[in-house]
Amino acid sequence: SAVISQKPSRDICQRGTSLTIQCQVDSQVTMMFWYRQQPGQSLTLIATANQGSEATYESGFVIDKFPISRPNLTFSTLTVSNMSPEDSSIYLCSSAEGAGGPYGYTFGSGTRLTVV
Amino acid sequence: AQKITQTQPGMFVQEKEAVTLDCTYDTSDPSYGLFWYKQPSSGEMIFLIYQGSYDQQNATEGRYSLNFQKARKSANLVISASQLGDSAMYFCAMREDSGAGSYQLTFGKGTKLSVIP
Repeated sequence: SAVISQKPSRDICQRGTSLTIQCQVDSQVTMMFWYRQQPGQSLTLIATANQGSEATYESGFVIDKFPISRPNLTFSTLTVSNMSPEDSSIYLCSSAEGAGGPYGYTFGSGTRLTVV
Repeated sequence: AQKITQTQPGMFVQEKEAVTLDCTYDTSDPSYGLFWYKQPSSGEMIFLIYQGSYDQQNATEGRYSLNFQKARKSANLVISASQLGDSAMYFCAMREDSGAGSYQLTFGKGTKLSVIP
């Protein structure tokens, strides 16, 4: 299965600033996803990153706050814009290959974001 | 309604004992997949086991087995011979294969497992 390199692994940011998280996959993958995991909570899907087109956002998430890019089949970025302390979370990217079967999903190691 | 329900926020198990983590799901899609992931305190998501809706036998992977009861829509994870390194959060997740949102994983709230020496 694919291997994802996610950067940065952690960051502490000032409120009102923006942070861009990068995910690089070592092979071409069909789908890429971005999740948010608030402290002690489950993973919530932010959006599906579509190659060459606008991302598909889930209810409660908007492009202005979480712009996503996916310029090719191996790379995607998530920006957390105009951050507030409520944005403090772990952000994870994930990829799915083929039909998304049992071994088709891979996760990045996560970005632990603290907003002060 | 929640698609994945994990009713045990926290569980304790004695080292070397077996433990069952509960998961029920809700879908009308005839084709779906069920996953279990382990998330240690480091935050990485570790794939443990998978069960397809059409699989006739319960999945097993080493010390992990999945007790799949399709009629009850349950997919409980059984960990045998617990080890201290099994202490982590465990998430049940589902992929529905039809319609919008195919390939997305929906996660339950998780169960925090603590293994006691």
